[in-house]
Amino acid sequence: AQKVTQTQTSISVVEKTTVTMDCVYETRDSSYFLFWYKQTASGEIVFLIRQDSYKKENATVGHYSLNFQKPKSSIGLIITATQIEDSAVYFCAMREGLTNSAGNKLTFGIGTRVLVRP
Amino acid sequence: EAAVTQSPRNKVAVTGGKVTLSCNQTNNHNNMYWYRQDTGHGLRLIHYSYGAGSTEKGDIPDGYKASRPSQENFSLILELATPSQTSVYFCASGAWGGDEQYFGPGTRLTVL
Repeated sequence: AQKVTQTQTSISVVEKTTVTMDCVYETRDSSYFLFWYKQTASGEIVFLIRQDSYKKENATVGHYSLNFQKPKSSIGLIITATQIEDSAVYFCAMREGLTNSAGNKLTFGIGTRVLVRP
Repeated sequence: EAAVTQSPRNKVAVTGGKVTLSCNQTNNHNNMYWYRQDTGHGLRLIHYSYGAGSTEKGDIPDGYKASRPSQENFSLILELATPSQTSVYFCASGAWGGDEQYFGPGTRLTVL
């Protein structure tokens, strides 16, 4: 069974600096997809960025980027030039297998709370 | 406007009572999902659906039923609510072949 582990429960950084958070995963599939979602203080959950297992290049979207280390089963999220509004809980998630196998269901980690302070 | 809505947003129920949580999406997505969120567990999948008329068990289906009467609507049913089902429940939708899931605002359920 697939498993996603986030060991950092909370991180505090100063505004405009870089924050990095870790995620390791377990899967028996050769094809899988990794995601990061953000949950704001209001409870809203939004998709941020995705990495396909077969791609060697690290995904980047805006000031979010990934550090994909396939041999270590690791997918870290990096947020550069942090802003106060980046304060949130960040969830790592994984989907195994082919597109729409098992309804594209995701397995989530428990989340890392990030506080960006002035 | 919000594409995934949930009702009610807050619910207090009694042990042994029946609870129905409703979700509506205007994304025209085939896939819909119900999760619960608890401290220390993140988001856990309860049931999901490929389309109208289909429901599938997720990772923690015990004590829950689901119903997908139409493309737009997906309900989560607690026939006999228990205090252990006190949680925040999120509905989400996703496109067939897509990867991103779109989440509703959540429903806070308290079972006394």
